[in-house]
Amino acid sequence: AQSVTQPDIHITVSEGASLELRCNYSYGATPYLFWYVQSPGQGLQLLLKYFSGDTLVQGIKGFEAEFKRSQSSFNLRKPSVHWSDAAEYFCAVERGNQGGKLIFGQGTELSVKP
Amino acid sequence: DAGVIQSPRHEVTEMGQEVTLRCKPISGHNSLFWYRQTMMRGLELLIYFNNNVPIDDSGMPEDRFSAKMPNASFSTLKIQPSEPRDSAVYFCASSLGGTEIQETQYFGPGTRLLVL
Repeated sequence: AQSVTQPDIHITVSEGASLELRCNYSYGATPYLFWYVQSPGQGLQLLLKYFSGDTLVQGIKGFEAEFKRSQSSFNLRKPSVHWSDAAEYFCAVERGNQGGKLIFGQGTELSVKP
Repeated sequence: DAGVIQSPRHEVTEMGQEVTLRCKPISGHNSLFWYRQTMMRGLELLIYFNNNVPIDDSGMPEDRFSAKMPNASFSTLKIQPSEPRDSAVYFCASSLGGTEIQETQYFGPGTRLLVL
């Protein structure tokens, strides 16, 4: 069965520091991969997605993610974190023939220190 | 565009009562998804529709849960009778759907349900 693992439940970084959130998936073939962000009390917003092609994907708000097939990973990065980036981040996978059925990781809560 | 609209935003009810959550997808979107978010289980897909037809309801926890989509602009998720363990945030999402390429899902703000 497909699964998504986000090893870090909570991460704290200083404003201006770089950020990397980890995501590992379990699936035999290349799935469709997504990162969503959820601000407190809000719904989820798509940051970026990977279907095929270039393994480095650019998203909104200065985020990027890199797909590494050999590591079954799709880590999210940002070179300089802003206080407004404090939120919960979810990695998700879809198998491509599931009509949109997303499997989400448990989420990583990001706190930003001034 | 108004985005995905959910109502109510907050619901507090007593165990045994019927609860109905409502969702209006983005106009023109053909797929609609209901998710539940809890601390213990994270985000789970309950059911999704394509062109108003339920495609996969394997995530619906039990018979107390039911979902309908009578037309392209409205869906309901009903819990009858409700139990305290149903307390969660319920999200509705929609996407263009209808293609082989995964479309972006747009999420509503959620309904926070508390069953006492």
